[in-house]
Amino acid sequence: AQSVAQPEDQVNVAEGNPLTVKCTYSVSGNPYLFWYVQYPNRGLQFLLKYITGDNLVKGSYGFEAEFNKSQTSFHLKKPSALVSDSALYFCAVRDIHYNTDKLIFGTGTRLQVFP
Amino acid sequence: NAGVTQTPKFQVLKTGQSMTLQCAQDMNHEYMSWYRQDPGMGLRLIHYSVGAGITDQGEVPNGYNVSRSTTEDFPLRLLSAAPSQTSVYFCASRPPGTGIEQYFGPGTRLTVT
Repeated sequence: AQSVAQPEDQVNVAEGNPLTVKCTYSVSGNPYLFWYVQYPNRGLQFLLKYITGDNLVKGSYGFEAEFNKSQTSFHLKKPSALVSDSALYFCAVRDIHYNTDKLIFGTGTRLQVFP
Repeated sequence: NAGVTQTPKFQVLKTGQSMTLQCAQDMNHEYMSWYRQDPGMGLRLIHYSVGAGITDQGEVPNGYNVSRSTTEDFPLRLLSAAPSQTSVYFCASRPPGTGIEQYFGPGTRLTVT
């Protein structure tokens, strides 16, 4: 069965420091992987995705993510955190073997950036 | 474009009442989905549609009905509300194609007492 794990409920980081939000996945075939961000009382906004090609994916707001097939991971990173990055982050996966829209989300990681 | 819109933003229901959550998109997207978001559980797929007249169940479909008579609209019906359906509901849409990201609406916060 497809699944996504975000092992940390919350990540705390000081402004200006690098940040990492972890995500691991399990699918039967090759994955489509996504990161979304949710600001308070808002819907989810797309950050970046991995479909194929270069393992390092760059997205919105200076975020990037590295696809690691051997470790089945897709960690979200940013070289220098901003207070405005504080939000709830979701990793999601779709198994390309299924021609449906069944996107599986992780439980979310709350990022808190302190001034 | 307004994107994905949802109404109402907030709703309180009594157990056993029925209601319809509205979702509309003006991007001519064929794919639309409904999710519920609960603390500590992320988003779970309720129902989805790959085009007008076509719907299918997601992960947690029980207690909910959908229909898709037009490309633009994808309403979610709660037949007989239960406290377990207290949640935040998100509608999403996307165009067809491989690995295309979804666009989410602002959500409806539903409380069932």
